[in-house]
Amino acid sequence: DAKTTQPNSMESNEEEPVHLPCNHSTISGTDYIHWYRQLPSQGPEYVIHGLTSNVNNRMASLAIAEDRKSSTLILHRATLRDAAVYYCILTQTGANNLFFGTGTRLTVIP
Amino acid sequence: GAVVSQHPSRVICKSGTSVKIECRSLDFQATTMFWYRQFPKQSLMLMATSNEGSKATYEQGVEKDKFLINHASLTLSTLTVTSAHPEDSSFYICSARKQGAPYNSPLHFGNGTRLTVT
Repeated sequence: DAKTTQPNSMESNEEEPVHLPCNHSTISGTDYIHWYRQLPSQGPEYVIHGLTSNVNNRMASLAIAEDRKSSTLILHRATLRDAAVYYCILTQTGANNLFFGTGTRLTVIP
Repeated sequence: GAVVSQHPSRVICKSGTSVKIECRSLDFQATTMFWYRQFPKQSLMLMATSNEGSKATYEQGVEKDKFLINHASLTLSTLTVTSAHPEDSSFYICSARKQGAPYNSPLHFGNGTRLTVT
């Protein structure tokens, strides 16, 4: 499985932007980059995904490096409800499932 | 849309008994569902892939006779933990992908079942 590397933890002040990095240097050409987050005692929640171009949705933005070896999830204004573990995952052609790494635990400071 | 419901959300059972956990896709059909296990402070570990109408595919190290998976319909998969022991206490989470959706489409997760074996 193509591996991703994320910082174990990050902190952000409330209402400030947060940039969560992910390295995936062994990504192959057809791998999609997915982000999920898991709030305490809940199942993961889909956040965003992309292949090559940057993506925006109501929850976040995804910035993908030109060489695709890294990506950044951007929360434009962190709220206390954004405190969660954020997982960056690659989905591979022909593979039906998701393998989770250790993720980044985001703490939002009021 | 795309809601996955798990039941029960919490269960406590005695050592040696069996526990069944249900995973339902409420507003879509899912040919494939996935079962994960998560220990405290750890990430999700994929246990098995459940395919409607056929046998589940288990990940290495997961005992298929202990974790029985049945996917009898396009909206329901069940995980039965047989002869549960305290070390089986964990957070069990299911997920599903909409029928016909491509491999890169999002998975939809249930809210998990916290199993405590006493």
